[in-house]
Amino acid sequence: AQKITQTQPGMFVQEKEAVTLDCTYDTSDPSYGLFWYKQPSSGEMIFLIYQGSYDQQNATEGRYSLNFQKARKSANLVISASQLGDSAMYFCAMREGSNAGNMLTFGGGTRLMVKP
Amino acid sequence: DTAVSQTPKYLVTQMGNDKSIKCEQNLGHDTMYWYKQDSKKFLKIMFSYNNKELIINETVPNRFSPKSPDKAHLNLHINSLELGDSAVYFCASSQDGRPNTEAFFGQGTRLTVV
Repeated sequence: AQKITQTQPGMFVQEKEAVTLDCTYDTSDPSYGLFWYKQPSSGEMIFLIYQGSYDQQNATEGRYSLNFQKARKSANLVISASQLGDSAMYFCAMREGSNAGNMLTFGGGTRLMVKP
Repeated sequence: DTAVSQTPKYLVTQMGNDKSIKCEQNLGHDTMYWYKQDSKKFLKIMFSYNNKELIINETVPNRFSPKSPDKAHLNLHINSLELGDSAVYFCASSQDGRPNTEAFFGQGTRLTVV
């Protein structure tokens, strides 16, 4: 079964507008971490933001914020004031506390395209 | 200074060859990983390794083998390369395996088997 689901294969957003990228996850482990990574066309994986399962507040990092709804098992990424340089693939990932090997499991990604 | 570095960045080789991809991290991390990204951009874990144990994704063919000469290196050896091995391979590392530690990725190695 898919542990991380990103239902939007591609999205467009107008420059300077906000956009939400969806991520739902599946785990029975009470301790887990959720991550978002950006992969521009150059190919590198860039860490954006982290949310812990026990965190009371939603994570924020500059223009990035995470809308964490634990009961719904969702961890959507919100990018405010989109810029052309935000055009990239975005991956949601999870690490579970009991995970043997401590691996990050990734969703299928969302391609975001920012229109000028 | 590059935190996680992989070499080479591009690798083109013929079917049946044996090749290696090197990975080094200078972050002092305990855990290193190899991921495969296919043509549809899906990232799949191949191996997880720290100085205590190697965890292998059971779907990875045994033609793939990680070798760790020391804590800072985790190289990937691939024997008898096949067309389906063409992909981008990412090395990554993290401080430890706790849920709140992010993984730092190398720049990727694009492997093309012809």
